[in-house]
Amino acid sequence: GQQVMQIPQYQHVQEGEDFTTYCNSSTTLSNIQWYKQRPGGHPVFLIQLVKSGEVKKQKRLTFQFGEAKKNSSLHITATQTTDVGTYFCAGWWSSGTYKYIFGTGTRLKVLA
Amino acid sequence: DAGVIQSPRHEVTEMGQEVTLRCKPISGHNSLFWYRQTMMRGLELLIYFNNNVPIDDSGMPEDRFSAKMPNASFSTLKIQPSEPRDSAVYFCASTLLGQGFSSYEQYFGPGTRLTVT
Repeated sequence: GQQVMQIPQYQHVQEGEDFTTYCNSSTTLSNIQWYKQRPGGHPVFLIQLVKSGEVKKQKRLTFQFGEAKKNSSLHITATQTTDVGTYFCAGWWSSGTYKYIFGTGTRLKVLA
Repeated sequence: DAGVIQSPRHEVTEMGQEVTLRCKPISGHNSLFWYRQTMMRGLELLIYFNNNVPIDDSGMPEDRFSAKMPNASFSTLKIQPSEPRDSAVYFCASTLLGQGFSSYEQYFGPGTRLTVT
């Protein structure tokens, strides 16, 4: 079935280092959304990308949507301890009906 | 706005008992999603409704799970009978879906932590 895999599963970085998580779908997505979940919390929306090849920035975060709309990445420059959490990609795809799926997530730990 | 409201926040029950989780979406949103989160399986979409109609329930684990949305401001997820493997955090989320399912952000509730002993 449809899968959205994220790599790496876990990442530990020193504060100030950069971090990237990659999201790979087995099928073409209509859009890609990114969410952040702090430990013990609920997912919180970060951004949505819709167009093939789209790049968006939010301060230290850079998001990309692949040309084939099957992969995406989130890059954080100069991580801070407040970046700790699990980052999920999610997207819509059509298979007769519209379906929505979350990626497997990347858990980020930032060491001060 | 109060955001998405879920109740109860914690539920501990014995195997075989019926469990009902409740969700009130954000006013004006036309779509509601139920998720289950565990360490082993991650964040799984169980079912979603659009305009109170179930659209995709392919994630519902088995017949023991059922979900209803009798009106735009209330939904329930019921597990009957419950089993220890149902222990998880259950999230409800709501959003506004446009034509062609053009999508906006989902707003998640705080979740219900279910423990089945």
